[in-house]
Amino acid sequence: DAGVTQSPTHLIKTRGQQVTLRCSPKSGHDTVSWYQQALGQGPQFIFQYYEEEERQRGNFPDRFSGHQFPNYSSELNVNALLLGDSALYLCASSGDRVDRRANTFGSGTRLTVV
Amino acid sequence: KNQVEQSPQSLIILEGKNCTLQCNYTVSPFSNLRWYKQDTGRGPVSLTIMTFSENTKSNGRYTATLDADTKQSSLHITASQLSDSASYICVVSGRGFKTIFGAGTRLFVKA
Repeated sequence: DAGVTQSPTHLIKTRGQQVTLRCSPKSGHDTVSWYQQALGQGPQFIFQYYEEEERQRGNFPDRFSGHQFPNYSSELNVNALLLGDSALYLCASSGDRVDRRANTFGSGTRLTVV
Repeated sequence: KNQVEQSPQSLIILEGKNCTLQCNYTVSPFSNLRWYKQDTGRGPVSLTIMTFSENTKSNGRYTATLDADTKQSSLHITASQLSDSASYICVVSGRGFKTIFGAGTRLFVKA
């Protein structure tokens, strides 16, 4: 039973570019949340997708957008990259029948903006 | 303001010793509190989850406690091992999908 898978694992981009990160949720999960984790900090909530719609959003600018597909997988898009966007981007899925709140995290995508 | 504060920021202990990590929160209304272990460069892995009515939950050598009245939780690690070296993150969820992460406690276990 695959857990949450994220791709790519590492990425280097230049300021001003755009990036797309991908996430496949754990089997049986229908909700995907995205987090940004700066070095030495706890994860910061970006947004959550359920039934292909953004259900909740954290305090992030519109440069951060997302999408959820019918198979529950999700993408995180960041436009006009800034140096401060360098971080570990974590995807978490939830929606298990036993406990809908229980999050399973992926290993993350390490984004470096130069 | 909803906040989760963890202490200490970092901790160094000798292998085989016990330690306790603290988490204070102001998230309201409260739904549940989770402790995660995060190895460097990896995603967090759930250790325990507690709701309002639970005041202790164990997972092997990890025991979490919750005092919903004082809004405090602790994570106790017994007989520490080198593999326990990681960040431990306290996460508090309120009703309505509100979830707040603490900054974590960085634990170093030395031989």
